[in-house]
Amino acid sequence: EDQVTQSPEALRLQEGESSSLNCSYTVSGLRGLFWYRQDPGKGPEFLFTLYSAGEEKEKERLKATLTKKESFLHITAPKPEDSATYLCAVRLRDAGNNRKLIWGLGTSLAVNP
Amino acid sequence: GAVVSQHPSRVICKSGTSVKIECRSLDFQATTMFWYRQFPKKSLMLMATSNEGSKATYEQGVEKDKFLINHASLTLSTLTVTSAHPEDSSFYICSASTLAGGHNEQFFGPGTRLTVL
Repeated sequence: EDQVTQSPEALRLQEGESSSLNCSYTVSGLRGLFWYRQDPGKGPEFLFTLYSAGEEKEKERLKATLTKKESFLHITAPKPEDSATYLCAVRLRDAGNNRKLIWGLGTSLAVNP
Repeated sequence: GAVVSQHPSRVICKSGTSVKIECRSLDFQATTMFWYRQFPKKSLMLMATSNEGSKATYEQGVEKDKFLINHASLTLSTLTVTSAHPEDSSFYICSASTLAGGHNEQFFGPGTRLTVL
């Protein structure tokens, strides 16, 4: 069964304390892995798309990496404004034009000043 | 770029009434739009996928007669919750995607908080 699992479920960091969030997937053909950030009461904000193992992308304090089984979202020297829920999703390879994503449950990150 | 708007952002209605939510892609043409529902502290639950000019594809367990979706143009999709009941209270979010440039990303609207009394 196609599945996306994120860990940890919740993470509390001190400002400046770097860490990583994990997104592991078991899918029958990956056609893109996506990271989003969601603030309470708002829609998800797109962060990164990764397509192949070994690919890396960076944006400010965030860096996303991808292997054949998982993706990491590295947060370097986080600030309180990085507090949010981080969602991971994968798009499967299929015969049709189905662009549906399979979503993880998210990691709730809190950064204390 | 890639801005998606939703209207209204918040709606309170009486049980039995219908509510329409609009989703617009403001600066790109969305070949596909998605409607999600999200419960507190839960991840996104896909309700349906709609392509411009064709009928929406609903996920298993989602009543198509209750959640009417119209994707009339490349920049507008609407979700109508018909005969709403308290159990329909939720956070509804749309997203839009384009095939341009081979991109697969979905860009999300800010969401609509529906409360049915």
